[in-house]
Amino acid sequence: AQKITQTQPGMFVQEKEAVTLDCTYDTSDPSYGLFWYKQPSSGEMIFLIYQGSYDQQNATEGRYSLNFQKARKSANLVISASQLGDSAMYFCAMRDGTGGFKTIFGAGTRLFVKA
Amino acid sequence: ETGVTQTPRHLVMGMTNKKSLKCEQHLGHNAMYWYKQSAKKPLELMFVYSLEERVENNSVPSRFSPECPNSSHLFLHLHTLQPEDSALYLCASSQEVVGGGDNEQFFGPGTRLTVL
Repeated sequence: AQKITQTQPGMFVQEKEAVTLDCTYDTSDPSYGLFWYKQPSSGEMIFLIYQGSYDQQNATEGRYSLNFQKARKSANLVISASQLGDSAMYFCAMRDGTGGFKTIFGAGTRLFVKA
Repeated sequence: ETGVTQTPRHLVMGMTNKKSLKCEQHLGHNAMYWYKQSAKKPLELMFVYSLEERVENNSVPSRFSPECPNSSHLFLHLHTLQPEDSALYLCASSQEVVGGGDNEQFFGPGTRLTVL
């Protein structure tokens, strides 16, 4: 069965510094996709970044990058130059790449950015 | 309106009430989703519709009844709910027909449901 684990319930980072949010996953499927979403206090989940299991390079989107280590089954999110607006819940998610719509989410990490 | 909208944003209902949650997406997507987000639990997928056909039903109790009249609208009809059904209900949409792709989901702001 597929599983996503986020072991950090809460993280603090100083404004303008980088922070890494951990995500490990478990699946027996050779093809899968990994997503990161941000959920501010307003409730709306916002897509940040995607990594496919066959992608050779780590995904990057602006200040977000994904440190994908396939052998270790980890897909950590790195946020560079943290901003106060980055304070939110962050969710790692996985979808089976062979078809089907089911996406499973981790428990999330709450990030606090300090001024 | 842009993106995914949900109404109402907040709902308080008794266990004997019948209510409906509404979701509308303005993105031209083919797939729509209902998720339940409870305190201290991961986001749980409830239902998925692709091209107005239900393609996922994740062992959800029958007191939750989805309806997708067209690809832009999704409803969740609620009846005889329990207090443990209190949660944030999120709607999402994505541009795909068969799933399994790299298409991200676009979420609405959610309906905060309280069952008394």
